[in-house]
Amino acid sequence: GESVGLHLPTLSVQEGDNSIINCAYSNSASDYFIWYKQESGKGPQFIIDIRSNMDKRQGQRVTVLLNKTVKHLSLQIAATQPGDSAVYFCAENSGSARQLTFGSGTQLTVLP
Amino acid sequence: GAGVSQTPSNKVTEKGKYVELRCDPISGHTALYWYRQSLGQGPEFLIYFQGTGAADDSGLPNDRFFAVRPEGSVSTLKIQRTERGDSAVYLCASSLDKGNYGYTFGSGTRLTVV
Repeated sequence: GESVGLHLPTLSVQEGDNSIINCAYSNSASDYFIWYKQESGKGPQFIIDIRSNMDKRQGQRVTVLLNKTVKHLSLQIAATQPGDSAVYFCAENSGSARQLTFGSGTQLTVLP
Repeated sequence: GAGVSQTPSNKVTEKGKYVELRCDPISGHTALYWYRQSLGQGPEFLIYFQGTGAADDSGLPNDRFFAVRPEGSVSTLKIQRTERGDSAVYLCASSLDKGNYGYTFGSGTRLTVV
């Protein structure tokens, strides 16, 4: 069936460096994507979203890129901070209920 | 309240027992979703409510799982004859309405079946 997946399960970066987290999706009909951050013991927290009619969207220290040709998403975090350490999920919003389909996540660890 | 509230935060139950998990969404949010998250995985969709009705329950794994939202606000996820494989974090999310993409998640209920 259709699914959303991530390339790497773990990522370690030095504090102050930029982070890039990648995601592949398989449902070419998907029109909306969201990145979530999840800290231990908490629910997913919205970071940034992008619609399929866009290829780039920027927020505060975060940028999402969408390449529909190869069905690929990435999340870029600028000047990564210790508080950015968490699991990051991309999610595809689709279905009759507009439910979210999540990938398995990438654990980001920020090294001092 | 300011966010989505889920209770209890942790629940340990014996195999075969019945459990109820509660979700109190953000006031005014008509859309409510339940997800299940196993260790090391992303959340998986279980059921969606628009108002009081279960508009889409296609994610419920079997008939041991049931959810209600009788007054269009608080929702209860009910699991009968629990099995060890039901152990997971159960997450609730709400949004103003379906198609409004501002989902807010609660912190979840960690269910452990022993």
